[in-house]
Amino acid sequence: NAGVTQTPKFQVLKTGQSMTLQCAQDMNHEYMSWYRQDPGMGLRLIHYSVGAGITDQGEVPNGYNVSRSTTEDFPLRLLSAAPSQTSVYFCASRLLEEGSGELFFGEGSRLTVL
Amino acid sequence: DQQVKQNSPSLSVQEGRISILNCDYTNSMFDYFLWYKKYPAEGPTFLISISSIKDKNEDGRFTVFLNKSAKHLSLHIVPSQPGDSAVYFCAASMGEYGNKLVFGAGTILRVKS
Repeated sequence: NAGVTQTPKFQVLKTGQSMTLQCAQDMNHEYMSWYRQDPGMGLRLIHYSVGAGITDQGEVPNGYNVSRSTTEDFPLRLLSAAPSQTSVYFCASRLLEEGSGELFFGEGSRLTVL
Repeated sequence: DQQVKQNSPSLSVQEGRISILNCDYTNSMFDYFLWYKKYPAEGPTFLISISSIKDKNEDGRFTVFLNKSAKHLSLHIVPSQPGDSAVYFCAASMGEYGNKLVFGAGTILRVKS
């Protein structure tokens, strides 16, 4: 049982380049989400999904696209990277049920945009 | 506008003593509050939660207190251990099935042996 797996762990991009951060979970969780962590800002929600084919925006969605074609995968796309997107990105998932919203996080992907 | 605030960036405590981490929130629509712990180079892990209809929840050495009138919650760790040294994030959820989880900026806890 691998939990939530993110790839790559580290990436350096030039301004304007595109890339996809991959996220996969093997716990059959309906809910998946992407957060970014910046110093002094905590974790901020980028996008989330409550099931295949359903996505919605979080606090900071601009510059990011997501899709959810399967229950297991929730990739995050940067179409034209900007230095402001330098951050550590976390994917998280959980069962979709009423309650505390306990999330299971991946280990993170550190992205640097030059 | 930060809806969840952790005003202490860091806290240092002696091993065996109590650690108290504080969190304030502004949105009265939050219905669950959670604490996560994060070690360097790892993802956050869930620690403990409390529903907005309760004022206390205990799990072993960890207790969370909620004061709704003051919009304040705190995490007590007793006794503190060196392995508790980590960043602690307070979070609050709202929306259908708690879909939007809002985090504070985190407090670095150092437990000295």
